[in-house]
Amino acid sequence: DAGVIQSPRHEVTEMGQEVTLRCKPISGHDYLFWYRQTMMRGLELLIYFNNNVPIDDSGMPEDRFSAKMPNASFSTLKIQPSEPRDSAVYFCASSLGPTGPYTEAFFGQGTRLTVV
Amino acid sequence: GQSLEQPSEVTAVEGAIVQINCTYQTSGFYGLSWYQQHDGGAPTFLSYNALDGLEETGRFSSFLSRSDSYGYLLLQELQMKDSASYFCAVKDSGAGSYQLTFGKGTKLSVIP
Repeated sequence: DAGVIQSPRHEVTEMGQEVTLRCKPISGHDYLFWYRQTMMRGLELLIYFNNNVPIDDSGMPEDRFSAKMPNASFSTLKIQPSEPRDSAVYFCASSLGPTGPYTEAFFGQGTRLTVV
Repeated sequence: GQSLEQPSEVTAVEGAIVQINCTYQTSGFYGLSWYQQHDGGAPTFLSYNALDGLEETGRFSSFLSRSDSYGYLLLQELQMKDSASYFCAVKDSGAGSYQLTFGKGTKLSVIP
C-alpha cells in the first residue's frame, strides 16, 4: 500500500476562496482523522470518521469548515470561505481501529495551506 | 477535555540517553502513544502503552504509569538523525467517542 495519500501538497489561495483538501486512506482502515498543525496550537484534531460516518467534529473551528467521506477510500476537507488564519499544515491519518494492536495512526504527508 | 504536558525543547549529545516526559489529563483513558516528526515531515508512530510498565523497541523505550497519569519516551544511543519533534498522544473515550489527542511536542536537538 502506498500509505495515506493527500493532495495537494501545497496550496496558496486568496482570502475568501474555497479550498478543498483531499485524502485517500490506507485500504482496510476503518478510521480516518483530519488534523491541523500550527506552531501556536500544535496538532489539533478537527474531525474523525469511523466506517465513513463522522463521529466527532467538535474540533472543527467554524461553520466555514466541512468534511465528507463519501466512501471508504476518499475524504475531503473544505474551507469556504478561507481566511489567513486558516494557514496551517493539514494532515489526514487513518488507522485500523481505536485500541489495542490497531492503534497506530498512519499520517499522510500533509497539505501546506497558505491563505493570503 | 484532554490536556497533555511535555517539555517544549530538549538538547542532548550524540551517543547519550534522553528522556522526554509527558503528563496527561483525560477521561476514559485507553493508552499513551508516541510519535516522531522531522521538520517538514509527517508524524510517524513510535510506540503505544496501554498498560503500566516499559515497552522497548530497539533504541527507543516508552513507559506508562496510569496511576500517575504519566509516561515517558527514552531514547538511547542518540544519533543525529534523532533530531526531531516528539509528541505524546492519548487515546481516550471522552464524550463517548474515540479520540487521539496530541501534546504540543518536544523538539529534540542532538548535538555532536
